[in-house]
Amino acid sequence: ELKVEQNPLFLSMQEGKNYTIYCNYSTTSDRLYWYRQDPGKSLESLFVLLSNGAVKQEGRLMASLDTKARLSTLHITAAVHDLSATYFCAVDLGGGADGLTFGKGTHLIIQP
Amino acid sequence: KAGVTQTPRYLIKTRGQQVTLSCSPISGHRSVSWYQQTPGQGLQFLFEYFSETQRNKGNFPGRFSGRQFSNSRSEMNVSTLELGDSALYLCASSLGLMGELFFGEGSRLTVL
Repeated sequence: ELKVEQNPLFLSMQEGKNYTIYCNYSTTSDRLYWYRQDPGKSLESLFVLLSNGAVKQEGRLMASLDTKARLSTLHITAAVHDLSATYFCAVDLGGGADGLTFGKGTHLIIQP
Repeated sequence: KAGVTQTPRYLIKTRGQQVTLSCSPISGHRSVSWYQQTPGQGLQFLFEYFSETQRNKGNFPGRFSGRQFSNSRSEMNVSTLELGDSALYLCASSLGLMGELFFGEGSRLTVL
């Protein structure tokens, strides 16, 4: 059974600081997704990582995937308040089997 | 381009009743997936449909069912509602079976 673990689950940080969210998964996969969810809202797709060593950046967010270590990271650079949200990673085993398996989410609060 | 549309957005039911939720995917998308989100269990895969066929189903009881129509619109049904079925039900669509998922706003079900 695929397990996806995120840490930390809760993060409070100040504007301007850098931080990294980690996503570990238990079964070999080369398809990993990052989503953002604002309170009461749906999931917004941030990054799609489809191969070992994949790195993608959008604004202050950068995601990477190491399939050998079964690890993805979401790095936040010079955080701003607007990035406050819950961030989920999700792993796809491929072939549509069992859909996406999500981590529990990282609740991120960025304080001025 | 219209996104994924889910109806109704909010509904309240009592135990033992049944409920039907509807999802209209992004135009041209042929795959529709359903997920349940609860504070305790997080995001869990319910089922996926492609070309009117259920491709996969998550670990949910038979009370949870769904279908997809020829225009790719999908419905899910929960019969004999239990208190634990209270959740946000998210629908997602993708071009194909292994494509990036785009989520709707969700249907928030409360069972009293």
